Amino acid sequence: AQTVTQSQPEMSVQEAETVTLSCTYDTSENNYYLFWYKQPPSRQMILVIRQEAYKQQNATENRFSVNFQKAAKSFSLKISDSQLGDTAMYFCAFMTPNTGNQFYFGTGTSLTVIP
Amino acid sequence: GAGVSQSPSNKVTEKGKDVELRCDPISGHTALYWYRQSLGQGLEFLIYFQGNSAPDKSGLPSDRFSAERTGGSVSTLTIQRTQQEDSAVYLCASSPLWGLEQPQHFGDGTRLSIL
Repeated sequence: AQTVTQSQPEMSVQEAETVTLSCTYDTSENNYYLFWYKQPPSRQMILVIRQEAYKQQNATENRFSVNFQKAAKSFSLKISDSQLGDTAMYFCAFMTPNTGNQFYFGTGTSLTVIP
Repeated sequence: GAGVSQSPSNKVTEKGKDVELRCDPISGHTALYWYRQSLGQGLEFLIYFQGNSAPDKSGLPSDRFSAERTGGSVSTLTIQRTQQEDSAVYLCASSPLWGLEQPQHFGDGTRLSIL
């Protein structure tokens, strides 16, 4: 069975500072993909960043980067130079082709950027 | 439209009534997912359609839930004899064929409230 755990229900960060959101997962699969999604108050889910498990290099998208530790099954999200618009729920997600492309989501971390 | 469209955006109904939720995916996207997001919870996978293949219904919580996808496009999620625990936001997402590396595009969701 696949599980995704986000152990930080709420976090806050000062504007322009850096914050790291943690995510761990459990799987016996070797081929999988990891994602971070953002859900602002408007409710629409937006993809932030994704990582293929076979790639050792950590993915980066502008101010967003991940620390992917495959052996530890850890996939944390780092947000640099935090902006007020980063205030949202952040969901970590896991998907493997071996379970029919079903996505598994964590319970989310509510991030508040403080001006 | 350019994105995934869900209707209605909000639905309030009495316990015991049936409800139908609609999802119109992005044109050309053959994969379609339904999720449920209860207050304080993560995203719960409900059902997945891929092209003309039989849907993966493994996430449906009870036989009161059903979904269909007509013509490989629009999908409806039906909840019969609604219960208060069905109150949640129901999110639909779509992705292109062979969506292994493709992110899911989410709609704004339908907020369902059972009185």
